[in-house]
Amino acid sequence: QSALTQPASVSGSPGQSITISCTGTSSDIGAHNYVSWYQQHPGKAPKLIIYDVSDRSSGVSNRFSGSKSGNTASLTISGLQAEDEADYYCSSYITGSLGVFGGGTKLTVL
Amino acid sequence: QVQLVQSGAEVKKPGASVKVSCKASGYTFTDYDINWARQATGQGLEWMGWMNPNSGNTGYAQKFRGRVTMTRDASIRTAYMELSSLTSEDTAIYYCARALRRSGSYLAYWGQGTVVTVSS
Repeated sequence: QSALTQPASVSGSPGQSITISCTGTSSDIGAHNYVSWYQQHPGKAPKLIIYDVSDRSSGVSNRFSGSKSGNTASLTISGLQAEDEADYYCSSYITGSLGVFGGGTKLTVL
Repeated sequence: QVQLVQSGAEVKKPGASVKVSCKASGYTFTDYDINWARQATGQGLEWMGWMNPNSGNTGYAQKFRGRVTMTRDASIRTAYMELSSLTSEDTAIYYCARALRRSGSYLAYWGQGTVVTVSS
């Protein structure tokens, strides 16, 4: 199972919105709605921020939103803040309770 | 609160095995799957597999089948991940993570990570 495809990096200024894409196939992202997103700050464990394509984990700001179209999922962060600077990983269920991660996207807040 | 505490850093020689533990607290251990993932320095996350602490059933990513074994000791609320035939490419941080729901691919609670270094 190959990793999902994400851009290596994205950037935006405070207050702006950015979108991170995550492209899979008809066997993973395109097959169901079990898509999630994780935020990882340097030296920390990942944090689940979005699941079921668009549901936010408890305590996650509503500035974070998720969507999906066909084989591509997207994470949008609106009103960028300095604290949003982190690595972001998408993930999709594949089979047998297993998942696959994207390669990760480094978000820089300018 | 849910907490997963992993064992300490390990240094292993090529060809050896490593066993990492993950002690759970704050919830009923047998109610939620434990997953394992790893991350090499500066690299992305890699899913290794899952274990059902109630039944002991497991599911391993294809890349690791034949080399990884996930087990548990429910009496002490601890899950284990053992990886054999280590090479330098196995040098990484290994994480355990509890599923959001009883099973499935959402990893809601993570351990602090265990650094495994493979070096001759």
